[in-house]
Amino acid sequence: GAVVSQHPSRVICKSGTSVKIECRSLDFQATTMFWYRQFPKQSLMLMATSNEGSKATYEQGVEKDKFLINHASLTLSTLTVTSAHPEDSSFYICSARDRERLGYTFGSGTRLTVV
Amino acid sequence: GDSVTQMEGPVTLSEEAFLTINCTYTATGYPSLFWYVQYPGEGLQLLLKATKADDKGSNKGFEATYRKETTSFHLEKGSVQVSDSAVYFCALSEPEAGTALIFGKGTTLSVSS
Repeated sequence: GAVVSQHPSRVICKSGTSVKIECRSLDFQATTMFWYRQFPKQSLMLMATSNEGSKATYEQGVEKDKFLINHASLTLSTLTVTSAHPEDSSFYICSARDRERLGYTFGSGTRLTVV
Repeated sequence: GDSVTQMEGPVTLSEEAFLTINCTYTATGYPSLFWYVQYPGEGLQLLLKATKADDKGSNKGFEATYRKETTSFHLEKGSVQVSDSAVYFCALSEPEAGTALIFGKGTTLSVSS
């Protein structure tokens, strides 16, 4: 079945540094990638939608200069948290939409801790 | 806009008990409906889905029927196991390709032996 590989699974970084999270669709072409953020014991909050080769669309309240999304190919999307602060600590999950099967496949998530 | 409402948790059951997690939705069109499961520290896994009214999705003993008349997609399992302990999310997608899933708030299920 469809698989999305998300890396790293856990990362600890110092305040002020940047962190890049990668999501790759391994066996299908993902024309659309979604990035979510999940706080403890809460649901997933959609941050942005990215289509291959075009700029990401950010949800209201999400800082596009802080959360940089790149979707340069049909199999890779990246989220870079720039100048991270402790309040950015969270669980980030990507989801890829399979163009042919019209399904959604999720990555395994990245636990970001900013110290 | 479209939305999903699911019952508040946590739901605590003994092994082999019957499970129901209620989910209702609001949508202007004819959405596809999903149940996802999330184990601690992991991403989401698709449990089952239904794409049109009266469809029944099923997987691993779990079932849910797309009820258009009641705008519901309740999750059921006849006999839960300890390994079913997880967070369950009901979700919908709008018919147009490329739009994100809309999630309910999630229901935590805890099954004890």
